[in-house]
Amino acid sequence: DIQMTQSPSSLSASVGDRVTITCQASQDISTYLNWYQQKPGKAPKLLIYDASNMETGVPSRFSGSGSGTNFTFTISSLQPEDIATYYCQQYDNLLTFGGGTRVEIK
Amino acid sequence: EVQLVESGGGLVQPGGSLRLSCAASGFTLSGYIMNWVRQAPGKGLEWISYISTAGNIYYADSVKGRFTISRDSANNSLSLQMNSLRADDTAVYYCARASSSALKWLNYWGQGTLVTVSS
Repeated sequence: DIQMTQSPSSLSASVGDRVTITCQASQDISTYLNWYQQKPGKAPKLLIYDASNMETGVPSRFSGSGSGTNFTFTISSLQPEDIATYYCQQYDNLLTFGGGTRVEIK
Repeated sequence: EVQLVESGGGLVQPGGSLRLSCAASGFTLSGYIMNWVRQAPGKGLEWISYISTAGNIYYADSVKGRFTISRDSANNSLSLQMNSLRADDTAVYYCARASSSALKWLNYWGQGTLVTVSS
């Protein structure tokens, strides 16, 4: 099984800050990595697919990069509506989600 | 418009059974890989099962042998039969559609249905 390790598990940042979340796979998954946003009480929403491709309608302040085992998700300028938990997910072998990163406003 | 609506959740005793349904609209369910993903209270997301367009089925080890995924093409719906339920099966259960006939990303999700396993 492929394990996905996200860090940090939570962070607090100010509006306008640059926020970075990392996700590490237990083995090489090429770019088979997606990022989701989940707001409290809501279903997850796909933001980034194939490591760096933005889903239609997603604000350009969200971006993703990486390949192999190390991936990064970035919010270039944190907005109040970005308060959520973010998950990475691999699809190299079935599906596995990372543990999530809760993003809060300082 | 693509919509997924889950139903069937509720309170069940340990060892009991429950059947979840997911009604799909706006697309033909059999043309996509369909998944069940669950989220225990306050915890992260856990993929538990999918059914491919060809009818191939996969389960996470945590539910293998206890849960059964199925598809009803006539009613355009997905089901999850859950048997031998345990306390750690307590979660919100989401049905989710993959982006295509390949299992890559999940771009449509239902609102979820809560299953509580407790005596």
